[in-house]
Amino acid sequence: AQKVTQAQTEISVVEKEDVTLDCVYETRDTTYYLFWYKQPPSGELVFLIRRNSFDEQNEISGRYSWNFQKSTSSFNFTITASQVVDSAVYFCALNRETSGSRLTFGEGTQLTVNP
Amino acid sequence: DGGITQSPKYLFRKEGQNVTLSCEQNLNHDAMYWYRQDPGQGLRLIYYSQIVNDFQKGDIAEGYSVSREKKESFPLTVTSAQKNPTAFYLCASSGGAGGGYEQYFGPGTRLTVT
Repeated sequence: AQKVTQAQTEISVVEKEDVTLDCVYETRDTTYYLFWYKQPPSGELVFLIRRNSFDEQNEISGRYSWNFQKSTSSFNFTITASQVVDSAVYFCALNRETSGSRLTFGEGTQLTVNP
Repeated sequence: DGGITQSPKYLFRKEGQNVTLSCEQNLNHDAMYWYRQDPGQGLRLIYYSQIVNDFQKGDIAEGYSVSREKKESFPLTVTSAQKNPTAFYLCASSGGAGGGYEQYFGPGTRLTVT
């Protein structure tokens, strides 16, 4: 069985602070995929990043960076110099390689960035 | 612009009525999905379809039905058998059904049943 845990239910920061959102996953598969999605107040989920289990390179995209560590089964997401527009719910998700497999979502972390 | 449309954005129904939520995509994606989201919770899979005229139950299919007669369309019917239908419903699609494909989401329909 697969499981994704986002232990931080809510995080509140002041603008320009750096913030890290934690994601811990469980799977018995050797090949799998990890995702992060952003859900702004409008409700639509926005795809941010996909990582496969064989690629442990960290990734940076502007103010966003992701740290994938198989040794600790974690795929953490850091926002540098946070902005008010970053306020949203962020979901971490896991999928198996198999066709027809199901995306398993974490419960999400509500990030509030205050001016 | 390619994307996924869901209509309506807000839907109100009386208890005991069936209601159909629309989902259309013009991304030429093979796979489509329906999720339910309750306040403060993650997404739960209701149904998914990998190809036209085929679909599978997700984790919470009871009280829901779907059809996939066209590649672009994957409507969801919330039947009167669904005990707790009030929720936010999200439709998604992906280029394939394999686990490595990212899913793209529509804007959602917020259903309220009283």
